[in-house]
Amino acid sequence: GAGVSQSPRYKVAKRGQDVALRCDPISGHVSLFWYQQALGQGPEFLTYFQNEAQLDKSGLPSDRFFAERPEGSVSTLKIQRTQQEDSAVYLCASSQRQGLDNSPLHFGNGTRLTVT
Amino acid sequence: DAKTTQPNSMESNEEEPVHLPCNHSTISGTDYIHWYRQLPSQGPEYVIHGLTSNVNNRMASLAIAEDRKSSTLILHRATLRDAAVYYCILYGGSQGNLIFGKGTKLSVKP
Repeated sequence: GAGVSQSPRYKVAKRGQDVALRCDPISGHVSLFWYQQALGQGPEFLTYFQNEAQLDKSGLPSDRFFAERPEGSVSTLKIQRTQQEDSAVYLCASSQRQGLDNSPLHFGNGTRLTVT
Repeated sequence: DAKTTQPNSMESNEEEPVHLPCNHSTISGTDYIHWYRQLPSQGPEYVIHGLTSNVNNRMASLAIAEDRKSSTLILHRATLRDAAVYYCILYGGSQGNLIFGKGTKLSVKP
């Protein structure tokens, strides 16, 4: 069946440009998460949604990062005025239920952002 | 947040069993133990999880120590496709997200 889909797969941006990364979660999944993964590191939490509500954005590194999920399905992560340190793989994951006790995360393959 | 400790890397031979250890001495009574793995150039994928009892599924087995301060992910017959980074993560119901560490990079030799 269809999994979590992320687009674009690769994005190259010049420093200072704005970028928008899209995530299509599995249909019907309530929870949606964004993670950032630097080379050689584990994924780091950015933010998460339950339906359209953004319940936690404590991991967003600066106010240049913004995420939305207006209709409780597709989500967009926007980065304004990109900097070189924003270069990373951005992973989206969805989960069927609110809690993760018995509802695993399903990850997409990520968007690799390179800021030059 | 309760933390886990895993070896940075391990090696295995193809078709042999692999035991991936994880220490979590500060685990609380309500923390689930989750394992995910990440193949090269892919997002992490769920492997298995448990609370107190040992668990088996088609991918692996999870052995949990009686005091729950450690656990072991068991791959019964490693294949080349099992080469990945394996993450052991504690999840308590009050937190919203999974917190990943650096994991164990498993190499499988033919």
